[in-house]
Amino acid sequence: KAGVTQTPRYLIKTRGQQVTLSCSPISGHRSVSWYQQTPGQGLQFLFEYFSETQRNKGNFPGRFSGRQFSNSRSEMNVSTLELGDSALYLCASSLATTNEKLFFGSGTQLSVL
Amino acid sequence: GQSLEQPSEVTAVEGAIVQINCTYQTSGFYGLSWYQQHDGGAPTFLSYNGLDGLEETGRFSSFLSRSDSYGYLLLQELQMKDSASYFCAVRDNYGQNFVFGPGTRLSVLP
Repeated sequence: KAGVTQTPRYLIKTRGQQVTLSCSPISGHRSVSWYQQTPGQGLQFLFEYFSETQRNKGNFPGRFSGRQFSNSRSEMNVSTLELGDSALYLCASSLATTNEKLFFGSGTQLSVL
Repeated sequence: GQSLEQPSEVTAVEGAIVQINCTYQTSGFYGLSWYQQHDGGAPTFLSYNGLDGLEETGRFSSFLSRSDSYGYLLLQELQMKDSASYFCAVRDNYGQNFVFGPGTRLSVLP
């Protein structure tokens, strides 16, 4: 069974631009969540989707948004990029929102210059 | 809200036993999970404690005490490949999103 796939693996953008990251969950997994990982703040929850609906949202500004498609694939978008958005963005999938075991992708390393 | 604390670094030698603690302040949660992350890699699930007590999975064991707001991950027969960061996490039973601890970097020395 293929794991969680995130694309692209690396991304370099400049301030003010926008970016879209993609996540394909494990087949059969309907819950997808996104996390931002930085050396200073650790792993921070962004949002979670289940059956194309956002179920939870973390404490991030509205520049961070996401969506989930009918095949459970998910995208997250960051608009008007700031230097502080440089981070590893991780996607995780699970069978359901109440499932305790998350399967993570390798992440997208975003650098904002 | 949820808040978890872990030691930032732990060092041990091959073959030894190491315990990584996780203390938390939370209004309610379903259980305590542990994840391992090697440098440049994805976090991978290690164990979950839904109830108080000890859970054993091979060389790894995890423990939870809700009355003490405390849990730990125990790694036995340490190997060089165990050098990684270890995160505890809880799923908030109000918002139902995961909250991760700051992570403990384990260095295993030969």
